[in-house]
Amino acid sequence: GESVGLHLPTLSVQEGDNSIINCAYSNSASDYFIWYKQESGKGPQFIIDIRSNMDKRQGQRVTVLLNKTVKHLSLQIAATQPGDSAVYFCAERGWNFNKFYFGSGTKLNVKP
Amino acid sequence: SAVISQKPSRDICQRGTSLTIQCQVDSQVTMMFWYRQQPGQSLTLIATANQGSEATYESGFVIDKFPISRPNLTFSTLTVSNMSPEDSSIYLCSVEENMNTEAFFGQGTRLTVV
Repeated sequence: GESVGLHLPTLSVQEGDNSIINCAYSNSASDYFIWYKQESGKGPQFIIDIRSNMDKRQGQRVTVLLNKTVKHLSLQIAATQPGDSAVYFCAERGWNFNKFYFGSGTKLNVKP
Repeated sequence: SAVISQKPSRDICQRGTSLTIQCQVDSQVTMMFWYRQQPGQSLTLIATANQGSEATYESGFVIDKFPISRPNLTFSTLTVSNMSPEDSSIYLCSVEENMNTEAFFGQGTRLTVV
């Protein structure tokens, strides 16, 4: 499969701080990206997506940034809460392959 | 978004046996996929379940070990055959309602092989 990797396997932040989770992808043909959140014992949950014709997209407390030049994706979580503690995965898909490949995941620990 | 139900949610199986996992969606979907997630790791795509034809397997996965059925647009099964302890994992069903849209996941089936 395609190579999608993350810089930090574990991230600890203080409650109320902002979190930034990074992801590098290798396929320049990828044009659609998704961030997923996975809580213990559950399936991945869609958080936010972005297509390659954009470099930024905002949701509720989350922002995804896409830098196609360096093939880098990030997820920013504002005012991190204990409920944000989970493993976060980025996933990529290209126009020429109709399936998602997942990064290795980052575990986010929110300290009270 | 589509509601995805997987059965069973968990099982403990004897080595050498087979387990069939079911994935039921509450609406017709274009794409259905099966993933494996080994403990503490990311998701690895096993195959794309194609309606009315053979599944498309990723490198490292074969039909004899992971036979897949998809008789219609709302249902698919994954069988883990001749299980060994190395097959202990979470198996996840994923769907896309339309082409080139987000993928949604079931809650997964936690399989332990003893």
